[in-house]
Amino acid sequence: DAGVIQSPRHEVTEMGQEVTLRCKPISGHDYLFWYRQTMMRGLELLIYFNNNVPIDDSGMPEDRFSAKMPNASFSTLKIQPSEPRDSAVYFCASKLRGGNEKLLFGSGTQLSVL
Amino acid sequence: KQEVTQIPAALSVPEGENLVLNCSFTDSAIYNLQWFRQDPGKGLTSLLLIQSSQREQTSGRLNASLDKSSGRSTLYIAASQPGDSATYLCAVRRDSGNTPLVFGKGTRLSVIA
Repeated sequence: DAGVIQSPRHEVTEMGQEVTLRCKPISGHDYLFWYRQTMMRGLELLIYFNNNVPIDDSGMPEDRFSAKMPNASFSTLKIQPSEPRDSAVYFCASKLRGGNEKLLFGSGTQLSVL
Repeated sequence: KQEVTQIPAALSVPEGENLVLNCSFTDSAIYNLQWFRQDPGKGLTSLLLIQSSQREQTSGRLNASLDKSSGRSTLYIAASQPGDSATYLCAVRRDSGNTPLVFGKGTRLSVIA
């Protein structure tokens, strides 16, 4: 398996624009997580899905953020409208069912909002 | 609310030295603890996972220990090499199996040749 695949690797956009980040989890994984990483706050959970169903979105900063998982092999994180404070690295991760299964990360999307 | 702390934030050691990275967590009711490595501009790579019933896990030159009652874990790296330079993060999972990991902010390690 190629691992968790995220696109794009880098995104530079202007304030107010819509941004869509994409993630393809590892085939067969039941859980998908979106995290955001900044120097100040470290890694923060935004939302996670189990079998394509959102379980906990309490980490989503505000209504400008939304996430979907239309099927087991694809998820999106959308920011509309984007703001400079959204600049961060966004990671997608997936895992198998089972509490002792390891969480496997994608390479991340570096987002810069100017 | 679970909080995970890693001290120091940065560490620099000469090549060949054995070193210990520390991780502490506020709620001892954890299901497991995982150590990750992150290289600059890259994602996180899982190194070791310790279940709550275990005391330690080993992989090559890495040894992770867990003292659940005191809320502490250590990552021991033997005979450090410049290639070990990276940020090391620990993360804990709450006592319900498939809940998300809570991460520390990491320790940035530099091994000087």
